[in-house]
Amino acid sequence: SYELTQPPSVSVSPGQTASITCSGDKLGDKYVCWYQQKPGQSPVVVIFHDNKRPSGIPERFFGSNSGNTATLTISGTQVMDEADYYCQACDSSTGEFGGGTKLTVL
Amino acid sequence: QVHLVQSGAEVRKPGASVKVSCRVSGSTLSELSMHWVRQAPGKGLEWMGGFDPENGEIIYAQKFQDRVTMSEDTSTDTAYMYLSSLRSEDTGIYYCATVFRIAVAGTGFDDWGQGTLVTVSS
Repeated sequence: SYELTQPPSVSVSPGQTASITCSGDKLGDKYVCWYQQKPGQSPVVVIFHDNKRPSGIPERFFGSNSGNTATLTISGTQVMDEADYYCQACDSSTGEFGGGTKLTVL
Repeated sequence: QVHLVQSGAEVRKPGASVKVSCRVSGSTLSELSMHWVRQAPGKGLEWMGGFDPENGEIIYAQKFQDRVTMSEDTSTDTAYMYLSSLRSEDTGIYYCATVFRIAVAGTGFDDWGQGTLVTVSS
């Protein structure tokens, strides 16, 4: 199976930029998706194809992927963005996730 | 708009088995690749397996391969996840999630069910 590594937690002040990384062997050769999960809710995809946003996802969410690292960047972070975020190597038939990162906005 | 509705919470004793269902509306099961994801209490998402449109088969994560069976009933657009030989570590929320079979690679899981809590306790 393919392993993806994320930092357990990231903290950011409201209005600042939050960056969440996801690392894996030659991850840049794969497509990466990012999911947001708020307490008690099902996950929601916020980025697919490395850097595309589904309709309804704010423009402040941005994704990039190169080398061994993918990054989810949230600019002008809002309190409502506080959640767990998971990366996924989503171009294969399998769907392993990273361990998840808890984003705290305070 | 695809809508996934899962069956209700289950309680099982260790060694027993459980079957969780996921009913599709807004599309048909034959148009979708159905996947199952587990989340233990306070833990992350864990992919269990799902339909591979490239070979037309359901593939399983190695960790669950010996205990899980995923199936589909296209007549009712309902998918099932059967997990056997349950142990306390299997306690968690089980989600179904889908992506359209014709979607290009890298699309991710577009739609998710509401989750089914399975509790394994003696």
